Amino acid sequence: GQNIDQPTEMTATEGAIVQINCTYQTSGFNGLFWYQQHAGEAPTFLSYNVLDGLEEKGRFSSFLSRSKGYSYLLLKELQMKDSASYLCAVRDRKQAGTALIFGKGTTLSVSS
Amino acid sequence: DTGVSQDPRHKITKRGQNVTFRCDPISEHNRLYWYRQTLGQGPEFLTYFQNEAQLEKSRLLSDRFSAERPKGSFSTLEIQRTEQGDSAMYLCASSSTEGTEAFFGQGTRLTVV
Repeated sequence: GQNIDQPTEMTATEGAIVQINCTYQTSGFNGLFWYQQHAGEAPTFLSYNVLDGLEEKGRFSSFLSRSKGYSYLLLKELQMKDSASYLCAVRDRKQAGTALIFGKGTTLSVSS
Repeated sequence: DTGVSQDPRHKITKRGQNVTFRCDPISEHNRLYWYRQTLGQGPEFLTYFQNEAQLEKSRLLSDRFSAERPKGSFSTLEIQRTEQGDSAMYLCASSSTEGTEAFFGQGTRLTVV
């Protein structure tokens, strides 16, 4: 994911709100995805943005600005089980067609 | 169908041996992807099938790697003459149409000794 940047690690406390940023560079942008991955497990889908704006799904929201090449994932009312790696991924038709290009992931640690 | 399944979950092999992994996607999904993930990194795209046709291959996929999806259902990924650098988690994902999320399997963890 050399064209996708996200922070390596973040920490937060239970009940707090955390925002994980992602910036990207593509030549054929066709959607941005956020996945959650617990250690040793498969990535699981959280959200999908293809148009600018905010998508809300329960405690999770994702924002996209295509002109800025920027997205964020917002996690509210943090719980201990939210400790995981959060992967930002883009679909770029000119790089990998329909496949997703992933960032390195942000490891979130939630403490009590 | 409970999701994407991969077999085996773990594989330890000696350098120079050949290994083959299997992926069974969600039954109605026509798109199937293989990724490789190493510790501390996000998944890296390897190859993509739509039905039985292999439509995309990453530059990461060397000549030692080959993938098939003969009947448009399950897929296999073979690595010949394994090297220590091949040690990684190999993930399979499937999706039904472009624009929807891909569902990942639990992966096959390969260790080359």
